[in-house]
Formats: sequence, C-alpha cells, structure tokens
Amino acid sequence: TQLLEQSPQFLSIQEGENLTVYCNSSSVFSSLQWYRQEPGEGPVLLVTVVTGGEVKKLKRLTFQFGDARKDSSLHITAAQPGDTGLYLCAGIRSNDYKLSFGAGTTVTVRA
Amino acid sequence: GAGVSQSPSNKVTEKGKDVELRCDPISGHTALYWYRQSLGQGLEFLIYFQGNSAPDKSGLPSDRFSAERTGGSVSTLTIQRTQQEDSAVYLCASSLGFLVKSTNEKLFFGSGTQLSVL
Repeated sequence: TQLLEQSPQFLSIQEGENLTVYCNSSSVFSSLQWYRQEPGEGPVLLVTVVTGGEVKKLKRLTFQFGDARKDSSLHITAAQPGDTGLYLCAGIRSNDYKLSFGAGTTVTVRA
Repeated sequence: GAGVSQSPSNKVTEKGKDVELRCDPISGHTALYWYRQSLGQGLEFLIYFQGNSAPDKSGLPSDRFSAERTGGSVSTLTIQRTQQEDSAVYLCASSLGFLVKSTNEKLFFGSGTQLSVL
C-alpha cells in the first residue's frame, strides 16, 4: 500500500483542455512536492507546498495543499503538448528524512 | 558537474551476476538518495546517505543490495546475484541539506540507470 495515492493513473486530453491530478493520503505531511518526469530522465521538481490551504501558481499550473496537509492537487489550465509527462507527488512527514512518492499520473496532451 | 550524473545509463546482465551502479552527486550536496522505479510504479526509497553514513538501510529490498558513499561524494549501489525482479530504473538524487531539517530542501535527480536482468 502506497503512502500517497494518486488519481487518475492515466489522463489523455486534447490541447486547450483543463486537467486536475489528485494526491491523497491518510498521513499528515510537513510538506508536499510535485515533480514531472519525462521518458529517460529523472523527475524534476515543480513546486513545494508547506502550509495547509496553500495555493501556488506556476504559469498555467496551480498547486493546492489541503487544509489538513493530507492531500494536494495539481490543476493545469489550457494544457499544451509540452505538458505531457509523468506527474509525481511526494511528501515528507514530520521528523522523516526521505520523500515518499505516489505512483504517478501519466498525462498525455494531444495536439 | 552541473547535475547529478549516473553511470552506466543502461546495464544488461545475466541472472546471478553482480552489478555496480554509480552516482556522482552535485558538488557540495551533503545528502544522497537512491530510489528504484519499476514500470508503472512510483519511486521506491532504497537508502539515504548523510555525508558518508547511511542512517537507515531498511529500504534495501534484500541483503543482496548494498551501498556505500566515499569522501562525501560518489556513491555506489551494488546488487549481488541479480534476479529478474531487480530489473528497474535506479535513480539517484542529491540535496544540499537534509530533508529532516528543512522541508524546503530540493532533490535533484540523475537520469537513472536502466537495469535489465535476463
């Protein structure tokens, strides 16, 4: 059983549409990070959220950390083919030393 | 170097052989992590180094797996008597400081070693 559950597992949309990826857990996290990974490469950090209820925007990407710090979401507005990739959420619990990763959401944006 | 470097990028080996995977972290990064990523799965934590010491090795799947880090820099992950279930991408990451002290630490990942055990 994964500490962080991501949904959906796969998402295929048309260019210009919006999408949301969810990351849920029964555990409380000190912070939560989102990464994007492209084939043959390692994950690249997109954002870190640390405060319950926090919302961060990165161009067309909006990240939200749940009030109870147990869940997070990633929303992409007007998706583009360049947004295609594997999106991973990862959390660190209080006094922990490692990031625990979700299984990831594979996003495909069709031109 | 500018980023985390891993070698080899691909390794094909026969069942029962030993393999060594190498990771060169970003210069000055004190923390180093090894993760394993199987097809369709997320990243599975293996081991973490704080300097040259590994506070917790419990993430290693079996006693066939071992890792070391020397000089606070290069790390080697060794898998003895490889099995087909060891086939995966092995990812190394480094960070300037320790996650336990600052949750804003950023992990920088290498491109990984694709290990295939035939």
